[in-house]
Amino acid sequence: AQSVTQPDIHITVSEGASLELRCNYSYGATPYLFWYVQSPGQGLQLLLKYFSGDTLVQGIKGFEAEFKRSQSSFNLRKPSVHWSDAAEYFCAVNTGFQKLVFGTGTRLLVSP
Amino acid sequence: GAVVSQHPSRVICKSGTSVKIECRSLDFQATTMFWYRQFPKQSLMLMATSNEGSKATYEQGVEKDKFLINHASLTLSTLTVTSAHPEDSSFYICSASYNPSYEQYFGPGTRLTVT
Repeated sequence: AQSVTQPDIHITVSEGASLELRCNYSYGATPYLFWYVQSPGQGLQLLLKYFSGDTLVQGIKGFEAEFKRSQSSFNLRKPSVHWSDAAEYFCAVNTGFQKLVFGTGTRLLVSP
Repeated sequence: GAVVSQHPSRVICKSGTSVKIECRSLDFQATTMFWYRQFPKQSLMLMATSNEGSKATYEQGVEKDKFLINHASLTLSTLTVTSAHPEDSSFYICSASYNPSYEQYFGPGTRLTVT
């Protein structure tokens, strides 16, 4: 069965420091991959997506992610974190039937 | 573009009553809509998938008689929680997509509290 693993439950980063959130997936074929961000009490906002082509994907708010097939990973990165980036981040894979399978999420805390 | 709204944003109801949550795609026709449930500090769990004009497909373990889903038009889907109980209290999020697309657009969510 398809699955998504986000090994870090929460991460604390100093404002201005770089960020990397890990995501690993288990899926037999080439996946469609997504990163979403959720602020408390809010819905999900799409940060970026990978369908095919260039494995380095640029998203909104200065985020990027790199698809590495050999590692079954789709890690999210940002070179300089802002306090407003504090939120919950979800990695998700589309299984081909339009269903999304979500990881358990990583809560990002930003320290001054 | 691709905006999805939900109404109400939060609702409090008494145990035993029913409550309806609406999900609307505002600027596109949604051939498929999804309903998720999210417990505090947990991920989203898919409850059901609905296609316009047909019955919803429920995920394993979701009671279809308790969570009634109607997708009557290409812009509106409703989730009715029937005979609500405190354990139904949760954050319910809908999403919508259009063919051919593997992307889902999410609503802002509805906080349901059953007292």
